[in-house]
Amino acid sequence: EIVMTQSPATLSVSPGERATLSCRASQSVSSYLAWYQQKPGQAPRLLIYGASTRATGIPARFSGSGSGTEFTLTISSLQSEDFAVYYCQQYNSWPPFTFGPGTKVEIK
Amino acid sequence: QVQLVESGGDLVKPGGSLRLSCAASGFTFSDYYMSWIRRPPGKGLEWVSFISSSGNTIYYADSVKGRFTISRDNAKNSLYLQMNSLRAEDTALYYCAAYGDLFYFHYWGQGTLVTVSS
Repeated sequence: EIVMTQSPATLSVSPGERATLSCRASQSVSSYLAWYQQKPGQAPRLLIYGASTRATGIPARFSGSGSGTEFTLTISSLQSEDFAVYYCQQYNSWPPFTFGPGTKVEIK
Repeated sequence: QVQLVESGGDLVKPGGSLRLSCAASGFTFSDYYMSWIRRPPGKGLEWVSFISSSGNTIYYADSVKGRFTISRDNAKNSLYLQMNSLRAEDTALYYCAAYGDLFYFHYWGQGTLVTVSS
C-alpha cells in the first residue's frame, strides 16, 4: 500500500498571501496524483488531477506540480473562500486508493 | 448538472447492519466507475470500496472486507453499500463518488452519516 503524507498539518496564511502545501508518497506514483478541497459541511471538490491539471472551473490561482514522490499544491493569492482542508490522493497503484491526512489552511 | 445524493445513514448498535444508497443524476451513470469513501469524525478521507461500471469488478479496503458489500443498479442509476457487523470505528460520513477519466474522484455526493454506538 502506498502511504501518503502531507505537510504541514496546519498552515496559517493571511488573505492575499501565497500558500504552499506538500504531499509525499511512500513510493513513486508517477503523475497519478489528485488534490481535493473540503470546506466544513461540504463534499470534497476535485481541484487538480494528473498532478498539475486543473479540474473544470478551478481558478488559475490553484496550481499543482511534482512527480514521482514529491508534489506541491500552490495557491498564489489566498481568497477568503480558500480556507479549507486540502487532501492529496494517489491513483497509480490500487487498490487501495490512498489519501494524505490533509492540510488545514486557516486564516492567520 | 451532476448530482449524487446519499441516503440511509443512521444510528446503529455495534454488530448491526445498514444499507446506504446513492442516487445519481445528470450523467450517464452506467458509464462510470464508482466508489464509497468515508471520513471519520476528526479524521481524513478513507477509501472504502470500488465497483466498475458493469459491476463485474469490485474491491474493498481491508478494514471492511468481509463485512461490507458494494453493488449498483444501472437501470435505477443507483449505488449501494450493504454494511454488516458494524463497529464503532465505522462511524463516519460516507460519500459516494464517481471517477474521472482516470482513477481520481471527479464527482462527490454530500455524504450520509453513519454512527455506530450502543
